[in-house]
Amino acid sequence: KAGVTQTPRYLIKTRGQQVTLSCSPISGHRSVSWYQQTPGQGLQFLFEYFSETQRNKGNFPGRFSGRQFSNSRSEMNVSTLELGDSALYLCASSMDLAFQAFFGQGTRLTVV
Amino acid sequence: AQTVTQSQPEMSVQEAETVTLSCTYDTSESNYYLFWYKQPPSRQMILVIRQEAYKQQNATENRFSVNFQKAAKSFSLKISDSQLGDTAMYFCAFMAFSGTYKYIFGTGTRLKVLA
Repeated sequence: KAGVTQTPRYLIKTRGQQVTLSCSPISGHRSVSWYQQTPGQGLQFLFEYFSETQRNKGNFPGRFSGRQFSNSRSEMNVSTLELGDSALYLCASSMDLAFQAFFGQGTRLTVV
Repeated sequence: AQTVTQSQPEMSVQEAETVTLSCTYDTSESNYYLFWYKQPPSRQMILVIRQEAYKQQNATENRFSVNFQKAAKSFSLKISDSQLGDTAMYFCAFMAFSGTYKYIFGTGTRLKVLA
């Protein structure tokens, strides 16, 4: 059974640019969540999608957005990148978050 | 708002010894779930153990067990017979039963198992 796949694994962008990260969940999982991990703030919740609907959103500016497609794959987009957006972005998929979330290996975004 | 606190930024333990990682949380919810996730250098978060708050019995999973004290809002992880492969960051996480659809993570404890 394939795990959660995040692409790309590494990304370097310039301030002001935008970026799109992709997450392919485990087959059959309809919930996809995104987290930002930084040394200073730790793991912060970005948003959660279930069957193409955003069920919850974290406390991030509107520059951070996401969506989920009918095949459960999800993308998150960050516009007008800032240096502080440099982080590891983790995607998690689950059938039920209350039981277990399966995480991808993350996308390491560096903004220069 | 819920918060999760891990007061031990770093810990080390000798191989084959036992170590306990601490976690406290704050919530007004009565029903919730608690988790310990492990993040090795590969960066992939892996579930170690989970506990339903309504269950009084402490969860165990092979060498991993928890001490869940609901009144004290404490959820510690005990690792017995530590192995080199246990070296990782360990995160305590909380999820409310009421459908917030998100984990709240602590800041993590970096555990190093020494040979």
